[in-house]
Amino acid sequence: AQSVAQPEDQVNVAEGNPLTVKCTYSVSGNPYLFWYVQYPNRGLQFLLKYITGDNLVKGSYGFEAEFNKSQTSFHLKKPSALVSDSALYFCAVREYSGAGSYQLTFGKGTKLSVIP
Amino acid sequence: AAGVIQSPRHLIKEKRETATLKCYPIPRHDTVYWYQQGPGQDPQFLISFYEKMQSDKGSIPDRFSAQQFSDYHSELNMSSLELGDSALYFCASTSTSGRAYNEQFFGPGTRLTVL
Repeated sequence: AQSVAQPEDQVNVAEGNPLTVKCTYSVSGNPYLFWYVQYPNRGLQFLLKYITGDNLVKGSYGFEAEFNKSQTSFHLKKPSALVSDSALYFCAVREYSGAGSYQLTFGKGTKLSVIP
Repeated sequence: AAGVIQSPRHLIKEKRETATLKCYPIPRHDTVYWYQQGPGQDPQFLISFYEKMQSDKGSIPDRFSAQQFSDYHSELNMSSLELGDSALYFCASTSTSGRAYNEQFFGPGTRLTVL
């Protein structure tokens, strides 16, 4: 079975500083990896995905993620954090279960707090 | 651009009642997924449909059922509601072809509260 882990429940960073939200994965084949963000009482918003190609993936709102196969990681990064980035971030891996179904398995989420 | 629509956005029910949640996928998307997110939890996959046929089941209780209709909208039916069913229920849609193939687009969710 495929899985994804987010080792940090919470990350605090000062506004303007770079941020990293960590994610590691365990898959039996080539991973399809995603990052989603969830603001309070809101739905999940897609940030970026890695399917194949360049290890550095650029996404929405200035976020990027680096796929590292040797470390089985897919950390989310942003060069300069904004207070408005404060939210809950989920890493997810796409899991194929047959019959065209590709449900997502999510990590437990990391709460990012950007301090003014 | 059109997004995934879910209705209702909020629903309050009593124990042992039934509830029906609706999901309208993005036009031309052929696959729908349902997820349940409990308080402080990560979303958990419940069930999915591809071309109106159930394609996979996750941690969906037997009290729940779902279907996808000819217009591709989906409904999640929940019976004998329990307090533990209180959660945010997401629907996501995707297309098995085109640029959206590898990406699930999520709706805003339905917040179900069982009293």
